[in-house]
Amino acid sequence: TQLLEQSPQFLSIQEGENLTVYCNSSSVFSSLQWYRQEPGEGPVLLVTVVTGGEVKKLKRLTFQFGDARKDSSLHITAAQPGDTGLYLCAGVDAISGTYKYIFGTGTRLKVLA
Amino acid sequence: DTGVSQNPRHKITKRGQNVTFRCDPISEHNRLYWYRQTLGQGPEFLTYFQNEAQLEKSRLLSDRFSAERPKGSFSTLEIQRTEQGDSAMYLCASSLGTSGNTIYFGEGSWLTVV
Repeated sequence: TQLLEQSPQFLSIQEGENLTVYCNSSSVFSSLQWYRQEPGEGPVLLVTVVTGGEVKKLKRLTFQFGDARKDSSLHITAAQPGDTGLYLCAGVDAISGTYKYIFGTGTRLKVLA
Repeated sequence: DTGVSQNPRHKITKRGQNVTFRCDPISEHNRLYWYRQTLGQGPEFLTYFQNEAQLEKSRLLSDRFSAERPKGSFSTLEIQRTEQGDSAMYLCASSLGTSGNTIYFGEGSWLTVV
């Protein structure tokens, strides 16, 4: 069974602090996505990473795909209250041939003003 | 709006009733996915279609659940004889189906079974 484990599960920080969220698996993924989800809404795509070792930046957010394409991280610099939400990673198993996206359990971030 | 559209957004139903959700994917997307999400959890895969063909179904999709995509465009998810454990948000997503492609989600349909 493919699993994507996210850590930490919960994070409460003060505005201006930095944080990193991790997404780990024993499976190799052909691509990996990060989403942010607000309560009562569907997940909204932040980024897709495809190449091992790839780094993408989206303003204060930096995403990295592991060299072996089994893990990823999301780093937020100078967090703001607007960053509050549920962060989800999702990936497609590169070997199974399926196009089923597996989601991590999520990291619930709260940024306090 | 050319995003993924789901309706109804909210549905309250009595236990034992049938409910149906509809999803309209992004127009050029050939893959369509259904997920279920409960509070505090990540989305759980239910099923996906490539065009009109249902290619994979999760064990979560019991015989009370059925999904269709008759013309390869919109899809419906029907739950028969609803149970309180079916209460969740049902998410639809679609993708182009190319290598490294991304899935885009609708806003979800909340189901509450009372």
